[in-house]
Amino acid sequence: QVQLQESGPGLVKPSETLSLTCTVSGGSVSSGSYYWSWLRQPPGKGLEWIGHMYYSGSPNYNPSLESRVTISKDTSKNQFSLKLSSVTAADTAIYYCARYRENRGLIITTTIFDYWGQGTLVTVSS
Amino acid sequence: SSELTQDPAVSVALGQTVRITCQGDSLRRYYASWYQQKPGQAPVVVMYGKNNRPSGIPDRFSGSSSGNTASLTITGAQAEDEADYYCNSRNSSGNHVVFGGGTTVTVL
Repeated sequence: QVQLQESGPGLVKPSETLSLTCTVSGGSVSSGSYYWSWLRQPPGKGLEWIGHMYYSGSPNYNPSLESRVTISKDTSKNQFSLKLSSVTAADTAIYYCARYRENRGLIITTTIFDYWGQGTLVTVSS
Repeated sequence: SSELTQDPAVSVALGQTVRITCQGDSLRRYYASWYQQKPGQAPVVVMYGKNNRPSGIPDRFSGSSSGNTASLTITGAQAEDEADYYCNSRNSSGNHVVFGGGTTVTVL
């Protein structure tokens, strides 16, 4: 059973960098054709995909956040991380890490976030 | 605005059937997956692919897709099905992941 657990500061000051880590157990961040993903959910709002890193190391980011986001992984610790720079109050949200995979068919592709962390609330405030 | 469009809210009488829809051009090339989120909890996948339920998801949940519209149907809705439901897929260009805005299901 794959498990993911987010960790990091719950309070970040405006203009600083938000840093979170996701520790994976029961699976490897460096194998299996999975995308290791970060998502967030502002209070009372919907889900937003931040970005992901393919198991082989290629990152892909939400265009609306791309200039501020870096996702990396540490295979020795079986972790992947999120850095979001120059944060403002609008970045206050519950941040989730999750595993994403795709199954490509001849015509149509199946997508799924099959495992999620419990989420961690990050508040941006001075 | 999201590339996947969902109705913000629907209601259903206990034991009746409700269908939640998700529209987007990318759904002609990608099956939507569906997530149930209850207050204070992380989302849980309830449907993916053509009509695949993960282990532990009741068979009252079913999925379908036609053209640019994906649907999640709850047949015989129960009180515990009251939640927010999100659809997910790629965007129309296929280079990013997107979510619908979510549908709040109220069981009356």
